[in-house]
Amino acid sequence: KQEVTQIPAALSVPEGENLVLNCSFTDSAIYNLQWFRQDPGKGLTSLLLIQSSQREQTSGRLNASLDKSSGRSTLYIAASQPGDSATYLCAVKGSQGNLIFGKGTKLSVKP
Amino acid sequence: DTAVSQTPKYLVTQMGNDKSIKCEQNLGHDTMYWYKQDSKKFLKIMFSYNNKELIINETVPNRFSPKSPDKAHLNLHINSLELGDSAVYFCASSQRQTGGYTFGSGTRLTVV
Repeated sequence: KQEVTQIPAALSVPEGENLVLNCSFTDSAIYNLQWFRQDPGKGLTSLLLIQSSQREQTSGRLNASLDKSSGRSTLYIAASQPGDSATYLCAVKGSQGNLIFGKGTKLSVKP
Repeated sequence: DTAVSQTPKYLVTQMGNDKSIKCEQNLGHDTMYWYKQDSKKFLKIMFSYNNKELIINETVPNRFSPKSPDKAHLNLHINSLELGDSAVYFCASSQRQTGGYTFGSGTRLTVV
């Protein structure tokens, strides 16, 4: 059974710092991996989608990597801003097509 | 031009009532889902429909019944609501297998 783990559970950094969020999964038979952002009381915003055949994806200050063989993904955020404060969720798409989520990393960027 | 829209956004109801949440997607995706986010913010799949056919039915009480009249709509009906049903329910859609997910904005259900 696929399990997704995100470390750390919470992270507080000063503005301007570069940071890395980690995600690991137990079953490498995935179709893709998706990173989301969730603001308090809001829905999920898709940040990056990495197909199983890809190694990384970039969007602006965000870069996500995928190492399927080791069951790991990282989300790199460059030059963090207070507006980046949110919960970041990692999710893998398994053989049935359903997304399996980690419990998230709550990020706080201090001005 | 909302991609995945669900209504209502908030739902407060008494125990024992029956309620429905509606979801529609205009992305042309072939698969739709219902997810539940509990009080600890953990997201877990409830149901998945592909072209109106039920694909995934996780361990969910049979008081919850999804209905897909067409591949652009997936509604969730809940009978005999209980306090423990209070949560945020998210609808989502994707192209099955390699497609990314798009989520609705969620329905916050509070049972009193």
